[in-house]
Amino acid sequence: DGGITQSPKYLFRKEGQNVTLSCEQNLNHDAMYWYRQDPGQGLRLIYYSQIVNDFQKGDIAEGYSVSREKKESFPLTVTSAQKNPTAFYLCASSRTVEKLFFGSGTQLSVL
Amino acid sequence: QKEVEQNSGPLSVPEGAIASLNCTYSDRGSQSFFWYRQYSGKSPELIMFIYSNGDKEDGRFTAQLNKASQYVSLLIRDSQPSDSATYLCAFYGGSQGNLIFGKGTKLSVKP
Repeated sequence: DGGITQSPKYLFRKEGQNVTLSCEQNLNHDAMYWYRQDPGQGLRLIYYSQIVNDFQKGDIAEGYSVSREKKESFPLTVTSAQKNPTAFYLCASSRTVEKLFFGSGTQLSVL
Repeated sequence: QKEVEQNSGPLSVPEGAIASLNCTYSDRGSQSFFWYRQYSGKSPELIMFIYSNGDKEDGRFTAQLNKASQYVSLLIRDSQPSDSATYLCAFYGGSQGNLIFGKGTKLSVKP
């Protein structure tokens, strides 16, 4: 079945630690995105990538990094510079820039 | 700053009633508008999109767009308890990767 797989479902970060969230898709979509969602808030764009080996910052990129070495994969690293990382992180992909298909999300919490 | 405004709710309707969800947007140049449904703890799912002024119907859902008033709405007929979720309005901001989301309206359908 085609879809987007995010892992892990839950992740805990210690102070000063970098953590990486995985996102894999087998929909053959060119574009991939990372969003952050805080309780009662809308989705805010962190990073996006239209093609392999290229990506752009979204509205809240500070404290995050990404790579796009393969079409299928778009991992997100939450660095120690992100002082308030607790949130629900959503990966998405699309064939057209407007219609997004989302993964199941990763809930990141701070220990 | 491009924005989407939604009433956060909760909006409570009895089973079988019509639920009306509303959204206003700031960017007069926007051409594409979307409604996503998000169940608690889950990822958003695209349920409707509309590009032209007027109504678009899909099953029990009707999206309405009024570009002059910068207003988009979603009507859910014969509401069911399974429709209980948060509904996110979004519009395409015009630059690559820039889908702007509202904070969502929480809908509760009471049996």
